[in-house]
Amino acid sequence: TQLLEQSPQFLSIQEGENLTVYCNSSSVFSSLQWYRQEPGEGPVLLVTVVTGGEVKKLKRLTFQFGDARKDSSLHITAAQPGDTGLYLCAGAPNAGGTSYGKLTFGQGTILTVHP
Amino acid sequence: EPEVTQTPSHQVTQMGQEVILRCVPISNHLYFYWYRQILGQKVEFLVSFYNNEISEKSEIFDDQFSVERPDGSNFTLKIRSTKLEDSAMYFCASKSSYNSPLHFGNGTRLTVT
Repeated sequence: TQLLEQSPQFLSIQEGENLTVYCNSSSVFSSLQWYRQEPGEGPVLLVTVVTGGEVKKLKRLTFQFGDARKDSSLHITAAQPGDTGLYLCAGAPNAGGTSYGKLTFGQGTILTVHP
Repeated sequence: EPEVTQTPSHQVTQMGQEVILRCVPISNHLYFYWYRQILGQKVEFLVSFYNNEISEKSEIFDDQFSVERPDGSNFTLKIRSTKLEDSAMYFCASKSSYNSPLHFGNGTRLTVT
């Protein structure tokens, strides 16, 4: 069974601060996805990282996939109150076929950015 | 933008009753999934469905669960005899191809009393 440990579980910061959320596993994933989930809604995909060492940027958000494809991080620069929400990482197993859709989720990080 | 639609948004049922959760995936999508999230816990994979059959299922997806795509647009999850521990948020998801991203619905909150 593949597990993804996401940390921290809660993060409360002031507007303008930087933060990093981590997602770690002992298993190799073929890809790793980051989602944001608002209350009462389903997860919304932010980014998919596929290649070991890959870095993707989405405005103030930077996503990195570890060289060994076992871990990932999400870094937010100059956080804003609008970044407040639940962030989830999810890994796709290192197998082919329709297993690609079978995601293993981390526990989530609840981020609160205070004005 | 097309979206995955789930109904109802909240379902309350008594233990032992059957429930059917409904989903309308995005129209040109070919891969369909059910996930669930028990309050305070991780999102968990239940089942994947492709080419009119189950392609993979988790240990959670026992004989009490079944899925169906009865008419080419709806995708349903049936729980035959609900238990208290089935109370959770159930998410339907779909994607268009092997490498494309998953699109999630807004979920159905199932409460078993």
